[in-house]
Amino acid sequence: EDQVTQSPEALRLQEGESSSLNCSYTVSGLRGLFWYRQDPGKGPEFLFTLYSAGEEKEKERLKATLTKKESFLHITAPKPEDSATYLCAVQPANSKLTFGKGITLSVRP
Amino acid sequence: EAQVTQNPRYLITVTGKKLTVTCSQNMNHEYMSWYRQDPGLGLRQIYYSMNVEVTDKGDVPEGYKVSRKEKRNFPLILESPSPNQTSLYFCASSPRTEPYGYTFGSGTRLTVV
Repeated sequence: EDQVTQSPEALRLQEGESSSLNCSYTVSGLRGLFWYRQDPGKGPEFLFTLYSAGEEKEKERLKATLTKKESFLHITAPKPEDSATYLCAVQPANSKLTFGKGITLSVRP
Repeated sequence: EAQVTQNPRYLITVTGKKLTVTCSQNMNHEYMSWYRQDPGLGLRQIYYSMNVEVTDKGDVPEGYKVSRKEKRNFPLILESPSPNQTSLYFCASSPRTEPYGYTFGSGTRLTVV
């Protein structure tokens, strides 16, 4: 069975304090791994797609990396506006996305 | 503006009263899907559609129906809602079944009393 586990469940950072969010997965035939950002009461917003181990993508203060077992979302010098829930999802060979439960990030000024 | 539009945003209804949540996208996407999001359970797929007239069950399809008569619309139908269907619902679309990022709607918060 396809599984996605995100850790930690919640993370509190001081503004400027860099950290990483983890997404571990087991899936048969990974076709893509996705990161989304979700603000309270809103729909998830697409951030990145990673297709193969070793791939990295960056957007502003965010950098996503992928290995054969996990993905990391690195946040460099976060700001309060980076506070949100970050969702990881995997797309296996059967084309159905499986989401993790998310990591709630709070960045204090 | 490219977007997925859901209506209504909020809905309170009574047990057993049929309702429809509409979803429309203006990006000519082939793939559309419905999810529900519950605390502690994350996003779970209800139904999805690869293209017009092609739909299939997701992980939690019981109590729901969908149809895809036009490419842009993918309504979610609850024939006889029950309190355990109280949830936050999201519609999403994607260009095709290859791994592209989904575009999500703003959500519909449904309460069944």
